[in-house]
Amino acid sequence: AQTVTQSQPEMSVQEAETVTLSCTYDTSENNYYLFWYKQPPSRQMILVIRQEAYKQQNATENRFSVNFQKAAKSFSLKISDSQLGDTAMYFCAFMKQGDDKIIFGKGTRLHILP
Amino acid sequence: DAGVTQSPTHLIKTRGQQVTLRCSPISGHKSVSWYQQVLGQGPQFIFQYYEKEERGRGNFPDRFSARQFPNYSSELNVNALLLGDSALYLCASSLGQGDWEQYFGPGTRLTVT
Repeated sequence: AQTVTQSQPEMSVQEAETVTLSCTYDTSENNYYLFWYKQPPSRQMILVIRQEAYKQQNATENRFSVNFQKAAKSFSLKISDSQLGDTAMYFCAFMKQGDDKIIFGKGTRLHILP
Repeated sequence: DAGVTQSPTHLIKTRGQQVTLRCSPISGHKSVSWYQQVLGQGPQFIFQYYEKEERGRGNFPDRFSARQFPNYSSELNVNALLLGDSALYLCASSLGQGDWEQYFGPGTRLTVT
């Protein structure tokens, strides 16, 4: 069975700083996807960034980038130039290729301070 | 295009009652998945339906059931409600057939008293 672990329940950083959220996962699968989702107080789950396991290059979406270490089963999210609107719960998630079931971590609550 | 919609937004039920939650997927999406998110936790997978067939089921009791209609909308039913069923219930839709990207609805907040 796959598991996703987020070891930082809560983090706070100043606006414009860079912050890194950690995630580790466990799987015996070779083909899978990893995601970071953002859930603001509005509750809407929003996909921030995705990574296909077969790709060695780390995914980047504007201010968001990941550090994907497949051998170490590590998948961290870096937010550069953090903004107040980045305040939210962030979930790391895993999905086996060919499967539509997403397995989520417990989340990291991120506060961006003015 | 409209996103995934869910109804109702929130509701309050009493222990032992039954509840039905509804989800309309994005137009063209044939797969619907349901997740339960207890306060302070990540969502947990309950069901996935594709083309009106159940494709997957999470570790939930038989009190939980779901179905998908010909128009691909879906209902989640929970019988004999327990206090522990209080949660945010999220619906997500995807094209299916290996297209992995899931789009989430805003959720239904269920409170059981």
